[in-house]
Order: sequence, then structure tokens, then C-alpha cells
Amino acid sequence: DVKVTQSSRYLVKRTGEKVFLECVQDMDHENMFWYRQDPGLGLRLIYFSYDVKMKEKGDIPEGYSVSREKKERFSLILESASTNQTSMYLCASSGWPAAGGINNEQFFGPGTRLTVL
Amino acid sequence: GENVEQHPSTLSVQEGDSAVIKCTYSDSASNYFPWYKQELGKGPQLIIDIRSNVGEKKDQRIAVTLNKTAKHFSLHITETQPEDSAVYFCAASLGGANNLFFGTGTRLTVIP
Repeated sequence: DVKVTQSSRYLVKRTGEKVFLECVQDMDHENMFWYRQDPGLGLRLIYFSYDVKMKEKGDIPEGYSVSREKKERFSLILESASTNQTSMYLCASSGWPAAGGINNEQFFGPGTRLTVL
Repeated sequence: GENVEQHPSTLSVQEGDSAVIKCTYSDSASNYFPWYKQELGKGPQLIIDIRSNVGEKKDQRIAVTLNKTAKHFSLHITETQPEDSAVYFCAASLGGANNLFFGTGTRLTVIP
């Protein structure tokens, strides 16, 4: 059974703290993604990675960074947490589509609900 | 970039009735349109998808239709059941290795 796990389901941090959100997938997928989910805004892409040590900015990268040192692990870093980063964070992974093929399914983790006080 | 709009934001139906969720997209080059279902406390999960060379696809009680000319696609759920209650997201992509652009979600409630 495919699996994407996230290190915490709930997290409470203080303004200015450095926050690490960890994501691990066991499907040997090349692609990994970090989204944030807010009511009325849907899922917005923060960063994604197509390979180890590669990263690309998504739609809302400001205030975030990422790290992908191993294929199975993708970390989201909040260098200095702020209250407007209170949100649900979702990690996803997908395989590389075949040449000329269409996107492969993205598999999501259960999410981390982060509260910044 | 691509912009996906989704309506309605909330939908309540009686058990056994049908539910329809509609999405529009802006980029005519988009060619892949998945639908995800998110149950309470879980991440979204793919339930059905459609490619641009197909107008309709059905899987048991769920179906998706695509109108490329009008740039809109819809999710249809027939004979709704309480376990269909969830948040549904549509998405669009340019295909290949391109990213998904998600709609804002529809919270479906099926009333027993």
C-alpha cells in the first residue's frame, strides 16, 4: 500500500521560531510537493522537487525553503515562523510520467496542522 | 499561469440524489483534469481523472465531463451516500511533468 507520511499531525510554534516539517514517501517517487491548504483558497503549491537536491518554487514560496537530500524525504522549512503561516500543510509525491505521457497521480500525506502563536 | 475556478463552495443533497460540481480553467493548453476527494482528517485522494482527448469518463457512481471549447469540466455523483460527504477538489494541468492547479474545493454533505 502506497504511503506518504508526515512527521506531525499537529504542531504549535511561536512567532520567530524555525520550523521543520518532514515528509517521507515509500513509493520511490521522483516528484515531491508541499502545499498549504486554507479555507476558501484550496491547495496552493509552495515548493516542489523533481529529484534529489533539486527544488523549484511554486506559487507561494515566500517565507519558506525546502530540502531534499534523499529521494524519499522532502522537508519544508519555515525560517522564522509568522502568524500568517498558520495553516494545514500537505505533502504529496508522484512518479515521473512516461515520455509524452500525462501527469501521474499525486499521493498525499495526512497533513500537518501548524499553529503559529 | 493556469487559473481554476470551482463552484459551488458548499453543496447539500439528500441521500440518493445526484450532486454536480463544476470547474472552469483558463489555459486552453491544459490537458489533464483530475478530481480529488478529501475526507475529514485525511489528505486528498484521486477519485477520477479525464484527459483532453476524451469528453466523458465514468466509474460506477461517479462521472466526469469535459467541454474543451468552453473550458469547463464537471464531476457528477449519482445515488449519493453518506460516505460521499467530503471536500472535493478539481485540478488542471498542462500534462507531462507540469504541476496541478487546484480549485478552491467544494464541501459536499449528503443528508441521510
